[in-house]
Amino acid sequence: SQTIHQWPATLVQPVGSPLSLECTVEGTSNPNLYWYRQAAGRGLQLLFYSVGIGQISSEVPQNLSASRPQDRQFILSSKKLLLSDSGFYLCAWTLGGTDYGYTFGSGTRLTVV
Amino acid sequence: ILNVEQSPQSLHVQEGDSTNFTCSFPSSNFYALHWYRWETAKSPEALFVMTLNGDEKKKGRISATLNTKEGYSYLYIKGSQPEDSATYLCACPGSARQLTFGSGTQLTVLP
Repeated sequence: SQTIHQWPATLVQPVGSPLSLECTVEGTSNPNLYWYRQAAGRGLQLLFYSVGIGQISSEVPQNLSASRPQDRQFILSSKKLLLSDSGFYLCAWTLGGTDYGYTFGSGTRLTVV
Repeated sequence: ILNVEQSPQSLHVQEGDSTNFTCSFPSSNFYALHWYRWETAKSPEALFVMTLNGDEKKKGRISATLNTKEGYSYLYIKGSQPEDSATYLCACPGSARQLTFGSGTQLTVLP
């Protein structure tokens, strides 16, 4: 069966520090991968998505970047965190086609102090 | 970026009541409509993926309908229970299946 792993679960980082959040999927090949963020009091906002290794699309200009070094690995990074980067980050995957729902990771609560 | 809207923003109902919420979305370039349940301290969980106009799907006491021509979907919960308390999200995919989510309806079922 397919599983998705996301870590760490919580993170407190000072302003200006780097960030690396990792997401891996098991039990499937060539998934579509997504990073979402929920800022305080707001809905889920798409940050990045990837339909294949090395292919990254960004939805919103921001202080973050994403990479997909392997088929089932998706990494969210920042060189220097801002206070506004605080939020709940969710990784998700799905297969191609329109009939499949997303499967979400357990999320990372990031607090920038 | 798609404009997906949900109403109401929040809802309190008594245990045993039936309730429903609305999701509206652009009717042009429609691919699918997703419904998710997001419980506190958990990840969003897929409830339904609907693609055809007139679709009706059901899972236990929860059901959903879809009208792609007018751009709306309803989610119904029959006989609400406290464990149904959650935020219910709808979303529409773009061409790369990237979902745009509505802001959600936060349901609280009072015992």
